[in-house]
Amino acid sequence: NAGVMQNPRHLVRRRGQEARLRCSPMKGHSHVYWYRQLPEEGLKFMVYLQKENIIDESGMPKERFSAEFPKEGPSILRIQQVVRGDSAAYFCASSSGTGGDTQYFGPGTRLTVL
Amino acid sequence: AQSVTQLGSHVSVSEGALVLLRCNYSSSVPPYLFWYVQYPNQGLQLLLKYTTGATLVKGINGFEAEFKKSETSFHLTKPSAHMSDAAEYFCAVSENTNAGKSTFGDGTTLTVKP
Repeated sequence: NAGVMQNPRHLVRRRGQEARLRCSPMKGHSHVYWYRQLPEEGLKFMVYLQKENIIDESGMPKERFSAEFPKEGPSILRIQQVVRGDSAAYFCASSSGTGGDTQYFGPGTRLTVL
Repeated sequence: AQSVTQLGSHVSVSEGALVLLRCNYSSSVPPYLFWYVQYPNQGLQLLLKYTTGATLVKGINGFEAEFKKSETSFHLTKPSAHMSDAAEYFCAVSENTNAGKSTFGDGTTLTVKP
C-alpha cells in the first residue's frame, strides 16, 4: 500500500518562473493538506482540499499561490512568478477524514529559487 | 484558534538517559494532539496521538505522552534514549471540527550523545 507520494522531490526554479508541486494521497484518502516548512522552522498550514473543493485556504498567500485537487489525478500546488522567499520544503499530507484522523505525510518537495 | 509552543528548540541527552520534550497547546475546543518525528530530508512520521479516552498515550519506538488538560500540556517522554532517536520532533494540535488542519510547533531538535 503506497504512502503519500510527492514529486518532484527537488525543484529548482529561477525567479519569475512557475513551480508545480504534485501530491498523490494514500489510496482511499480524499482529504489533502499542504504545509510549508521554511528553514529552521516548523510546518505552516497552507490549504486543505477535498476532491474538487477547497475547504480551507486560510494559510495560502493571497497572490501567486493556488491549489487544486481534481476529480482525477494528483493534487497540485502551483506557485507563479516564484521569488527567493518561496524557497522551502513543501509537504503534502492526506487523511481519510477530519479532526483526529491521522494525517500521513509525503517526503516533501524541496523548492530552491535561484 | 489553536497554537502550540514547544519549550526548548534544542535538547541534548546522553544515550540511555530520559528524554523529555515539552509541548503546551492552546485550543478553544477539546484538542486532538500529535507528536511527529522528522529525520533529515524526510517527511514527518507520526509517533503518537491523543484524541479521547486514556490520557497516557503510547506510541512507536518506546515513546509516550500524557495529555494534561489542567496544564494544557502534552509532553513527550522516553525512558532511555537511543542514538537513533536523534531527530527533530514536532508537536501538533488539531481542533475537533471539520477544518482538519493541524497547527505545528516550531520543533525540538534532539541530540543523543554517546
